[in-house]
Amino acid sequence: SQQGEEDPQALSIQEGENATMNCSYKTSINNLQWYRQNSGRGLVHLILIRSNEREKHSGRLRVTLDTSKKSSSLLITASRAADTASYFCAFGRTGTASKLTFGTGTRLQVTL
Amino acid sequence: GAVVSQHPSRVICKSGTSVKIECRSLDFQATTMFWYRQFPKQSLMLMATSNEGSKATYEQGVEKDKFLINHASLTLSTLTVTSAHPEDSSFYICSAGFVTGTNTGELFFGEGSRLTVL
Repeated sequence: SQQGEEDPQALSIQEGENATMNCSYKTSINNLQWYRQNSGRGLVHLILIRSNEREKHSGRLRVTLDTSKKSSSLLITASRAADTASYFCAFGRTGTASKLTFGTGTRLQVTL
Repeated sequence: GAVVSQHPSRVICKSGTSVKIECRSLDFQATTMFWYRQFPKQSLMLMATSNEGSKATYEQGVEKDKFLINHASLTLSTLTVTSAHPEDSSFYICSAGFVTGTNTGELFFGEGSRLTVL
């Protein structure tokens, strides 16, 4: 399958802790993006990292990309209960016509 | 960010009927929209890419006659599930974005439509 693989599938942490999710893929990519989905809702774009970038920050989010290992990680620091959601990586495969392939997702639960 | 509106958010229909879902980009012109299907606790599976003014491009395994897509304007794409059956029950999500060549940037998603076929 060309779908991205994410791990862990589910993650439960306490408020204040950091959460790390990993995404691996198998093809060459143009960019890699991370999205958040609250239960039963649409997806919200979090951050985009280009294939020539190695790290990017946005607020409490830190994304890394290692194209040699075909992997990316999303770190959420100082987590809050409101961060509880599913997180998906998505990548644009080189040569494909303008579409994103989504990873399998990580369900994050942040408890008080 | 840009706003994408999807309607209806929930629909229940009888088996054999057709259901239309609308996806509108409210504050930008979307030359390309994407339709996804999502099963409970699973990822998004791309069904088709909708291009304004031309036929949609369907992913392998997606029935064109079953899932009719129309992208008649730069702000509206519709997905019609024809002759719906219980196995078509799912969460359908549309998205729109800015596409440069073969490079897709950030996508803006609708809130999704939950279809239940009785």
